[in-house]
Amino acid sequence: HVQLQESGPGLVKPSETLSLTCTVSNGSLTNYYWTWIRLPPGKGLEWIGYIYYSGTTNYNPSLKSRVTISVDTSRNQFSLKLSSVTAADSAVYFCARAFSPESLEYWGPGTLVNVSS
Amino acid sequence: QSALTQPRSVSGSPGQSVTISCTGTSSDVGRYNYVSWYQLHPGKAPKRIIYAVTQRPSGVPDRFSGSKSGNTASLTISGLQAEDEADYFCYSYAGNYIFYVFGTGTKVTVL
Repeated sequence: HVQLQESGPGLVKPSETLSLTCTVSNGSLTNYYWTWIRLPPGKGLEWIGYIYYSGTTNYNPSLKSRVTISVDTSRNQFSLKLSSVTAADSAVYFCARAFSPESLEYWGPGTLVNVSS
Repeated sequence: QSALTQPRSVSGSPGQSVTISCTGTSSDVGRYNYVSWYQLHPGKAPKRIIYAVTQRPSGVPDRFSGSKSGNTASLTISGLQAEDEADYFCYSYAGNYIFYVFGTGTKVTVL
């Protein structure tokens, strides 16, 4: 079945841009929604946003001004950029696949990102 | 936007049943039948166990069931097993501005 794997720096400095990539194996990006979610330490999950394989995006209004999600179908990857990060952006970041965006079928194992100088 | 409200923790002995509530508003849980539930074990990929309020994906044991009444969705685990000890989060569509919201999360402990 499809597998997802997040990758990127585990440490980002405050005010810089967090960049993560999700690599999709054993499946195509076509016809699916590709979502980013995060889990801050001691808190609950937060929906960051998604991109449809064709490029349509929707973002969490509270993060919209700082978030960009993009897709690279040639590499079977999609990416997250979060600008002007602060310590509050420290979290485990997950990527997920959805046929319909309200139901996240498959997830990656997550990657921990710490924001610290 | 506010997260959906879940109890912080629930517990039960093996074989017992536990129910986790997920309370939202008439703008999310109450309006749409788009509630799903996810199981999180530390260090592992989260797993979808219920979607569309009551639907169970292939491979998920039938001891997991979902329901909804008004603004509150519920996940019931019948015949609790040791491997069910995990964190559980609900998730709902919340309209064309908020889009999607998770619950606050519930830790299930098997005594």
